[in-house]
Amino acid sequence: DAKTTQPPSMDCAEGRAANLPCNHSTISGNEYVYWYRQIHSQGPQYIIHGLKNNETNEMASLIITEDRKSSTLILPHATLRDTAVYYCIAREVGNEKLTFGTGTRLTIIP
Amino acid sequence: DAGVIQSPRHEVTEMGQEVTLRCKPISGHDYLFWYRQTMMRGLELLIYFNNNVPIDDSGMPEDRFSAKMPNASFSTLKIQPSEPRDSAVYFCASRGPSYEQYFGPGTRLTVT
Repeated sequence: DAKTTQPPSMDCAEGRAANLPCNHSTISGNEYVYWYRQIHSQGPQYIIHGLKNNETNEMASLIITEDRKSSTLILPHATLRDTAVYYCIAREVGNEKLTFGTGTRLTIIP
Repeated sequence: DAGVIQSPRHEVTEMGQEVTLRCKPISGHDYLFWYRQTMMRGLELLIYFNNNVPIDDSGMPEDRFSAKMPNASFSTLKIQPSEPRDSAVYFCASRGPSYEQYFGPGTRLTVT
């Protein structure tokens, strides 16, 4: 699976959109981008995934660049409960394993 | 659905004792994963099962660790004998139809 690179930490004001970047410059054509988050003392939580098209669900939006070398997770209206570590993971089709890196620690500021 | 269920939530034991962690996956999910999380090493995959059969146990640290899945609704991770360096949070996860994994709340293990 391709290596992903994320900033170690970010802050965002409550009520604003939180935009979390992820670099995956070596991603191959059959690798999906998955996002998970882990709120303190809880298990990781699946957020969203995509291959090349932008995706949206009730939690977030995923924007993948046309060359697929980077992506951005968008939390449209961040709340204090969105404070967590966010992980961006590239997963190859047919590979069941998820390799978690160090993620981005997002802090929502009141 | 109740989600992935793990027990116990906390376990404190003495070095040398046997520890058994339990997991009930989400009904209908045919993949089950065991992870370990520590400050030093982050979140690591230990082993995963498909249809109750172990597929990849390359992440199991050593022979003191073993995992079983006797049926589709139950799995155990056993450490015998336990050591202080096994102290960690152990997560179980099951996989949904789009390869997304749903994690349980974890078992915090402390070995003294």
